[in-house]
Amino acid sequence: QKEVEQNSGPLSVPEGAIASLNCTYSDRGSQSFFWYRQYSGKSPELIMSIYSNGDKEDGRFTAQLNKASQYVSLLIRDSQPSDSATYLCAVPMYSGGGADGLTFGKGTHLIIQP
Amino acid sequence: DAGVIQSPRHEVTEMGQEVTLRCKPISGHDYLFWYRQTMMRGLELLIYFNNNVPIDDSGMPEDRFSAKMPNASFSTLKIQPSEPRDSAVYFCASSLPLDGSPLHFGNGTRLTVT
Repeated sequence: QKEVEQNSGPLSVPEGAIASLNCTYSDRGSQSFFWYRQYSGKSPELIMSIYSNGDKEDGRFTAQLNKASQYVSLLIRDSQPSDSATYLCAVPMYSGGGADGLTFGKGTHLIIQP
Repeated sequence: DAGVIQSPRHEVTEMGQEVTLRCKPISGHDYLFWYRQTMMRGLELLIYFNNNVPIDDSGMPEDRFSAKMPNASFSTLKIQPSEPRDSAVYFCASSLPLDGSPLHFGNGTRLTVT
């Protein structure tokens, strides 16, 4: 059973601080990793993807990947109230024939306090 | 690009009735996925298609659920008969060939079965 684990939260962070979201996955063969943001009542939207060990930065967002530890994280710098949402970690599921869609963690609910 | 289009946005029905959810994927995307989201179980993959062919329906909860993709631009998810435990948000998503390609989600259908 392929699993993606996240702390459900809520994670409360003061405005302007760094929010750190973590995710672990069970499939050592996973090669691509995605972070989605989901506002209440809306659909998930892709905010970051990462494929190689190390850091990937995009504006205020930084994704970090450590394949040896099967760990991927998302840092949000200078947190804004508009960042309050649920953040979903997603990892491809692989079978003998290839990738079979994305397995999602249950998400971390992030609250940015003004 | 119009994105993934789902209809209806909301569906309220009585137990025992048939429910049909509809999806139009992004043009050119080879893969189409149906997910269900609940608070308890998060996002669960129900079934996915590659080039209109169902590849994996192991996530379909039971025989009451069926999905079709008669052509590259249309898919349906049908529940017959519906039960209160089917109440959830159902998302359709599409993607280019997997392994590195993210999913693009529709706005979802919120289903309530009374």
